Amino acid sequence: AQTVTQSQPEMSVQEAETVTLSCTYDTSESNYYLFWYKQPPSRQMILVIRQEAYKQQNATENRFSVNFQKAAKSFSLKISDSQLGDTAMYFCGHNFGNEKLTFGTGTRLTIIP
Amino acid sequence: GAGVSQSPSNKVTEKGKDVELRCDPISGHTALYWYRQSLGQGLEFLIYFQGNSAPDKSGLPSDRFSAERTGGSVSTLTIQRTQQEDSAVYLCASSFGLDGGWEQFFGPGTRLTVL
Repeated sequence: AQTVTQSQPEMSVQEAETVTLSCTYDTSESNYYLFWYKQPPSRQMILVIRQEAYKQQNATENRFSVNFQKAAKSFSLKISDSQLGDTAMYFCGHNFGNEKLTFGTGTRLTIIP
Repeated sequence: GAGVSQSPSNKVTEKGKDVELRCDPISGHTALYWYRQSLGQGLEFLIYFQGNSAPDKSGLPSDRFSAERTGGSVSTLTIQRTQQEDSAVYLCASSFGLDGGWEQFFGPGTRLTVL
C-alpha cells in the first residue's frame, strides 16, 4: 500500500526567509508521480509543483523547488523568499498517474510578517 | 475557463437524514475523484471515475456511501442515514489524464455537518 508521511505538523518562518517541508513516501513501483498541494483557509487545493519519478532533475516553479531523492523515497519542498500569501496547509501527494492521490497529513505553514 | 465547482458549499443535516453532494468537473476532463477531509486530517480517497470504466469504489467507508457520474460529467455523492462521524469537507477533483500531466484540479469542497 502507498503511504505518505509528513513529519512536521506545523512550521513557521519569517517573511523573506527560506523554508523546507519534508515528505517521505513508500511505494514498490518504479514509475510514479509526486505532488505538493497548497490549501489556504479558503479550502481550495492548489497544485504547487509536481515531479515525475523517472525524471532525475528536480522540479522548479518560481520560488518553489523540490529535492527529490528517489532511493531515499524523499520529496521535500523548498520555498524561497517566503511571502505572507504562502501561509497555508501543504499536502504532499503520490500516485501512479490516473489513479487516486494518497496524501500525507499535511504541514501547517505560517509566514510571520 | 471555469474550474471544478461543488454544491452546496455548506450543508447541515440531522443524524439519520440522507444528503447529496454535487460536483461539476472541468469540461473535457475524463477522470473524477471524491476525497474526504476530516478536521485536522489529510485527504482520504473515496471513489474514482475514469471515462466509461467501472468506478474504483475502494475508498468508500461503508455501504451508506455511493456515487454516480452521469454522462461522463456531473457526479453526485450520496450519503444515506448520515452519522456524526460523516462530518467533514468533501472535495471533488477532476483530471485530463496524461496530456495534463495527471494534475488533479480540486473544487472548493462541501462542508458537511451532521448534528
